[in-house]
Amino acid sequence: QLLEQSPQFLSIQEGENLTVYCNSSSVFSSLQWYRQEPGEGPVLLIALYKAGELTSNGRLTAQFGITRKDSFLNISASIPSDVGIYFCAGGYNNNDMRFGAGTRLTVKP
Amino acid sequence: EPEVTQTPSHQVTQMGQEVILRCVPISNHLYFYWYRQILGQKVEFLVSFYNNEISEKSEIFDDQFSVERPDGSNFTLKIRSTKLEDSAMYFCASGTSDYEQYFGPGTRLTVT
Repeated sequence: QLLEQSPQFLSIQEGENLTVYCNSSSVFSSLQWYRQEPGEGPVLLIALYKAGELTSNGRLTAQFGITRKDSFLNISASIPSDVGIYFCAGGYNNNDMRFGAGTRLTVKP
Repeated sequence: EPEVTQTPSHQVTQMGQEVILRCVPISNHLYFYWYRQILGQKVEFLVSFYNNEISEKSEIFDDQFSVERPDGSNFTLKIRSTKLEDSAMYFCASGTSDYEQYFGPGTRLTVT
């Protein structure tokens, strides 16, 4: 049930696009993307539950892989307030949610 | 906009003491969760609760842990005899389905 995220660290210039990846050898029933700032709880960005589903939320786009084992999150036209740690979380049986190790994003103005 | 609330924001306790962490989930939510996050590490699932019973628990959630929904609004996590390694941020989350979870701001537990 290990969720692997890449990259671990990401530093980009304001205005650039970025993509974060999440994959596992296990099949998920659902996949969520969260953003966390220091000292705060994770904030839900996008939730996916259909294989192949592509969903957007403003500048964020995420897709659930057709095999339900992987996902990506794309952020377009990054801004400084996008900084934080981005986690993917995969849902397994009976409401068991496992988080990836996170991607730490820095956006340089 | 409704949100999950947690109290206290910071709890300091001595090793061996019992602690109760409190959460008020969003009012129309049916699924409730506890997670913990050791400083600098990933969020770890502890337990999920639905229909007044535990629906899933992780290997971390041993006999020292228990959860309760004592009334229609509160959801609590009890640690019976705290250990140093229990020091972490504890997050409560709730959702209307098992696909979406909304997290509270967390309780920082420090065991000395």
